[in-house]
Amino acid sequence: AQSVAQPEDQVNVAEGNPLTVKCTYSVSGNPYLFWYVQYPNRGLQFLLKYITGDNLVKGSYGFEAEFNKSQTSFHLKKPSALVSDSALYFCAVRGYNTDKLIFGTGTRLQVFP
Amino acid sequence: DTGVSQDPRHKITKRGQNVTFRCDPISEHNRLYWYRQTLGQGPEFLTYFQNEAQLEKSRLLSDRFSAERPKGSFSTLEIQRTEQGDSAMYLCASSFAGGDEQYFGPGTRLTVT
Repeated sequence: AQSVAQPEDQVNVAEGNPLTVKCTYSVSGNPYLFWYVQYPNRGLQFLLKYITGDNLVKGSYGFEAEFNKSQTSFHLKKPSALVSDSALYFCAVRGYNTDKLIFGTGTRLQVFP
Repeated sequence: DTGVSQDPRHKITKRGQNVTFRCDPISEHNRLYWYRQTLGQGPEFLTYFQNEAQLEKSRLLSDRFSAERPKGSFSTLEIQRTEQGDSAMYLCASSFAGGDEQYFGPGTRLTVT
């Protein structure tokens, strides 16, 4: 069965420092992987996706993610964090032979000034 | 605003009552999804449509839940005989068929007292 795991409930980082939010996956077939961000009392916003191609995927708001097949990981990264990046981040994988998304439990990112 | 919209944004109801939520997808999208999110968890898939056809329904979904998309545009999600465990955020998303990313609405927060 398809699944993703986000091992960290919360990540704290100082503004201006690089950030990493971790995600590992388990899939049958080729992985279709996504990152979404959720701000308080709002729906999810799409950040980026990996379907095929380059292992480094660039997305919205300066975020990028690195796909690593051997480690079955899809970590979200940003070179320089902003206070406004503070939010809840979800990793997701598309189900096998279906378009439904299967989400991780989320990681709360806190960027301190 | 041409994004996904949901109505109402908040609903408080007493246990045992029926509730209905509406979702209007992005107009060009022919796929529409419903998810449920409880506190501290990632969104959980409920069901999805391509045009009018309901393609998949979660096995976790009880018979008290029903969704429709009668004209292939907006969709409704009805919960009959609500229970306190139904309290959650109900999220709607849409996409192109064969497309990858799903675009989410702001959600309907249901509180069952």
